[in-house]
Amino acid sequence: GAVVSQHPSRVICKSGTSVKIECRSLDFQATTMFWYRQFPKQSLMLMATSNEGSKATYEQGVEKDKFLINHASLTLSTLTVTSAHPEDSSFYICSARDYEGTGELFFGEGSRLTVL
Amino acid sequence: AQSVSQHNHHVILSEAASLELGCNYSYGGTVNLFWYVQYPGQHLQLLLKYFSGDPLVKGIKGFEAEFIKSKFSFNLRKPSVQWSDTAEYFCAVNETSGTYKYIFGTGTRLKVLA
Repeated sequence: GAVVSQHPSRVICKSGTSVKIECRSLDFQATTMFWYRQFPKQSLMLMATSNEGSKATYEQGVEKDKFLINHASLTLSTLTVTSAHPEDSSFYICSARDYEGTGELFFGEGSRLTVL
Repeated sequence: AQSVSQHNHHVILSEAASLELGCNYSYGGTVNLFWYVQYPGQHLQLLLKYFSGDPLVKGIKGFEAEFIKSKFSFNLRKPSVQWSDTAEYFCAVNETSGTYKYIFGTGTRLKVLA
């Protein structure tokens, strides 16, 4: 199946700094990518829908100025957590839909962010 | 608002027992339905999906699910579980129009005892 790669897989940062997470579709073009946040022992919470060449669509309650999403190309979307705080510590997962194939959602490996 | 409910949060079974995990969704339009699995330390993988046609769909590793439109349900089943099925299972719904976003249920953590 299609491959979605996320980087970094783990990141530790100090409070107040910004962290960028990359999500790449390796063998297909993804006009739309989705960013999820997964809390321990909980489900995936959709944060935003990232559309190539346009602004992301954020879910209710998600601060767009804190979680900056950029989808500059058909294979790359980035999530930047700005001025991170300990409560932003979480597991962030990106996914992309394969429009050309089955419409299945493919997931990245996830990025565990720890803010000290 | 669109939502997905999974009724069983934790399930413990012995090997060879039968499994059924419930999933209900609320959405007025047409949806695609999925079950994803997350094995310990791994990322989410697709188990099976329903887009249209036969409401009984078969997936990988002996799993199947039945879409009952009148009940807004898409329950996952397996006749005989194995220890290797220990994982977390997520039901998901995808709108077929509008934002096309995917919404996940809260997940069911399955533990199979050897």
